[in-house]
Amino acid sequence: KQEVTQIPAALSVPEGENLVLNCSFTDSAIYNLQWFRQDPGKGLTSLLLIQSSQREQTSGRLNASLDKSSGRSTLYIAASQPGDSATYLCAGNLNWANNLFFGTGTRLTVIP
Amino acid sequence: DTGVSQNPRHKITKRGQNVTFRCDPISEHNRLYWYRQTLGQGPEFLTYFQNEAQLEKSRLLSDRFSAERPKGSFSTLEIQRTEQGDSAMYLCATDWRAEAFFGQGTRLTVV
Repeated sequence: KQEVTQIPAALSVPEGENLVLNCSFTDSAIYNLQWFRQDPGKGLTSLLLIQSSQREQTSGRLNASLDKSSGRSTLYIAASQPGDSATYLCAGNLNWANNLFFGTGTRLTVIP
Repeated sequence: DTGVSQNPRHKITKRGQNVTFRCDPISEHNRLYWYRQTLGQGPEFLTYFQNEAQLEKSRLLSDRFSAERPKGSFSTLEIQRTEQGDSAMYLCATDWRAEAFFGQGTRLTVV
């Protein structure tokens, strides 16, 4: 069974700081990897998708990378803002059918 | 299209009652997924449909759970004889070009 670990479980940073969230899979044979944001009591919002042939994706202040050889992904957030406060979840699948395996998330708090 | 829509947003039910949730997917998204998320955990896969065909079911989907997707449009998830352990957020998702899109979820509380 695919296990997904996210480190750290919680992170608190002052506004403006750059930060890195980590995600690792026990089975490195990840097909696609997706990072999501979840606000309390809400659904998931897709942030970045790294497809099977890709290694990295960028959107605004966010950059995600995937090292398939090790089954590790990082999400880099530049110049953090209080509005970035949320739980960040990584998820991967093993084939084209998108039943995703999720980590338990990193709860980020950005202090004004 | 405003995205994946789930109803109701919240449901409180007494133990032993049956509940049904509805998911309206983004139009033209053929695959539809159900996940369950308990507090402090990531979502866990329950089942998925390709059009009206239910193609995979997780071992988490006990006999008390049933999902349908008539005509490949909206989907329903029914839980019979609810138990306190069923309390969770139930999330519906579709995908397009490998990217998954989630609804706002239905929060179930069994008392």
